[in-house]
Amino acid sequence: DAGVIQSPRHEVTEMGQEVTLRCKPISGHDYLFWYRQTMMRGLELLIYFNNNVPIDDSGMPEDRFSAKMPNASFSTLKIQPSEPRDSAVYFCASSFTQGAAEQFFGPGTRLTVL
Amino acid sequence: AQSVTQLDSQVPVFEEAPVELRCNYSSSVSVYLFWYVQYPNQGLQLLLKYLSGSTLVKGINGFEAEFNKSQTSFHLRKPSVHISDTAEYFCAVSESSASKIIFGSGTRLSIRP
Repeated sequence: DAGVIQSPRHEVTEMGQEVTLRCKPISGHDYLFWYRQTMMRGLELLIYFNNNVPIDDSGMPEDRFSAKMPNASFSTLKIQPSEPRDSAVYFCASSFTQGAAEQFFGPGTRLTVL
Repeated sequence: AQSVTQLDSQVPVFEEAPVELRCNYSSSVSVYLFWYVQYPNQGLQLLLKYLSGSTLVKGINGFEAEFNKSQTSFHLRKPSVHISDTAEYFCAVSESSASKIIFGSGTRLSIRP
């Protein structure tokens, strides 16, 4: 298995632009997680899905952020409009179950908003 | 609600020296505990986990951790570190198979030759 795949690996955009991050989880995993990592705030859980359904989006910072999972093999995290404070590394992770199972992380997308 | 505290943000050690990375958790129920490692410019990967049974858990790369319920701790140890262990280490806790995993703030381990 190729593991969790994220694209792009790096994204540089200007303030106000729309940004879309993509994730392909490991086949057969029922849970998908989106995290954000910054020096100031560490690793934050933004949202997670179970069987393509959003379960908890309490970590999504504001309405500018949205996430979808149209099928079991694809998810997107969209920021519209983007702001410089959104600059961070965004990770996608997937797992078979939730609390007791290992989460497999993708390599991350480094987002820079100028 | 559960929470996890990593007391040290950075730990510098010499190569081949032992190391302990500290982790304390807070929960009113039984917990599952994890240590993840993040190498530079990579995602996190699981080092080891405690679900039940023996309180001493052995993981990959020679690391081990001990679950101490009375002290609500899950410290990570390695008897002799290598340059390749340079990374950030995250402790994490979950209260059940149905709850979220909560990650600590991370400890950056730097190895000096």
